[in-house]
Amino acid sequence: SAVISQKPSRDICQRGTSLTIQCQVDSQVTMMFWYRQQPGQSLTLIATANQGSEATYESGFVIDKFPISRPNLTFSTLTVSNMSPEDSSIYLCSVEAGGYTFGSGTRLTVV
Amino acid sequence: AQSVSQHNHHVILSEAASLELGCNYSYGGTVNLFWYVQYPGQHLQLLLKYFSGDPLVKGIKGFEAEFIKSKFSFNLRKPSVQWSDTAEYFCAVNALNNAGNMLTFGGGTRLMVKP
Repeated sequence: SAVISQKPSRDICQRGTSLTIQCQVDSQVTMMFWYRQQPGQSLTLIATANQGSEATYESGFVIDKFPISRPNLTFSTLTVSNMSPEDSSIYLCSVEAGGYTFGSGTRLTVV
Repeated sequence: AQSVSQHNHHVILSEAASLELGCNYSYGGTVNLFWYVQYPGQHLQLLLKYFSGDPLVKGIKGFEAEFIKSKFSFNLRKPSVQWSDTAEYFCAVNALNNAGNMLTFGGGTRLMVKP
């Protein structure tokens, strides 16, 4: 299965600022997925990122708030823009390559 | 769209007790099914998965799950839990023929095993 390197692992950010999370995969994959896990809750899909096309966002998530880049088949970024305390969550990327693999997550705290 | 239900939000067991965590999904077509575990402060790890074949699937650390298609269920079991099994467990479903090809997660079950 694929191995994902995700960074940063955690950050504490001021409200109104933005944070970009990076995921690097050790093999080429068509789709990359970005999830959010709010405190004490399950995982919710934010968007699906395909290389060479716009990301597909789930209901309740918009590109202006969570812009995604997918410049090649091994890399993607998710930006959390204009952050508020409600954005405090763990953000995870995932790929499907013979089974779903997840990055180690980015624990974001907005103060 | 598919949905996944995990009936038990919190489970407390003593060591050596048997475990069964319920998972039901709503989708009438073909599915791939997964159980993930998240230990305190750690990231998600795959416990086991079902794609096809024998509906009784064995995973790591002595866990197993049984796919019962008629009940739309994929319950997780372990005959004898250990303190180190304290974690949160997530059931997830990938509905095939779903253009999105993403996983849908249940709400999670937080297991605490008392030593």
